[in-house]
Amino acid sequence: GAVVSQHPSWVICKSGTSVKIECRSLDFQATTMFWYRQFPKQSLMLMATSNEGSKATYEQGVEKDKFLINHASLTLSTLTVTSAHPEDSSFYICSARDEELRNQPQHFGDGTRLSIL
Amino acid sequence: AQSVTQLDSHVSVSEGTPVLLRCNYSSSYSPSLFWYVQHPNKGLQLLLKYTSAATLVKGINGFEAEFKKSETSFHLTKPSAHMSDAAEYFCVVGSNYQLIWGAGTKLIIKP
Repeated sequence: GAVVSQHPSWVICKSGTSVKIECRSLDFQATTMFWYRQFPKQSLMLMATSNEGSKATYEQGVEKDKFLINHASLTLSTLTVTSAHPEDSSFYICSARDEELRNQPQHFGDGTRLSIL
Repeated sequence: AQSVTQLDSHVSVSEGTPVLLRCNYSSSYSPSLFWYVQHPNKGLQLLLKYTSAATLVKGINGFEAEFKKSETSFHLTKPSAHMSDAAEYFCVVGSNYQLIWGAGTKLIIKP
């Protein structure tokens, strides 16, 4: 089945650090990937839709200069949290669609737990 | 516009007893509906999906859900709970591009 790999799974760093999270589709090509944020005991919130070869589409209220998204290839999208602060601590999850299987839903990575000290 | 409401934030059942997780949706057109499961500190796994075919959808791990248009419901059930079913469950409405997530229901399994 379709596998999405997300790395790293856990990050702890100091305030002011920039953190990069990678999302890879391992056995399929993904023109579109999605980045979600999940606060403790809450549901997922879509942050942005990542489009290969073009700019990401950000949801209302999400700072695009804060959360930089790059989708340079059909199998890799990256989310960089720039100058992270404690309020950016959260669980970040990516997903991807297999463009050849149009009836299949999004496939999710295992998430990245980001803790900013 | 689409929306989804999970009626219970927590459900607690004893191991071996039936599970019912309730979900109501709102959609101006025929929706696609999903149930996802999330184990602690893990990503999301698709349990099952409804896309206007059979109204009773069978998923993985013995779960199933029934689409009832008249009640705008898509409740998730399992005949007999197992300890490994303890997790957070999300009801989702939308398309393969845009997903609207419910708030989640935490399923607690008592030994």
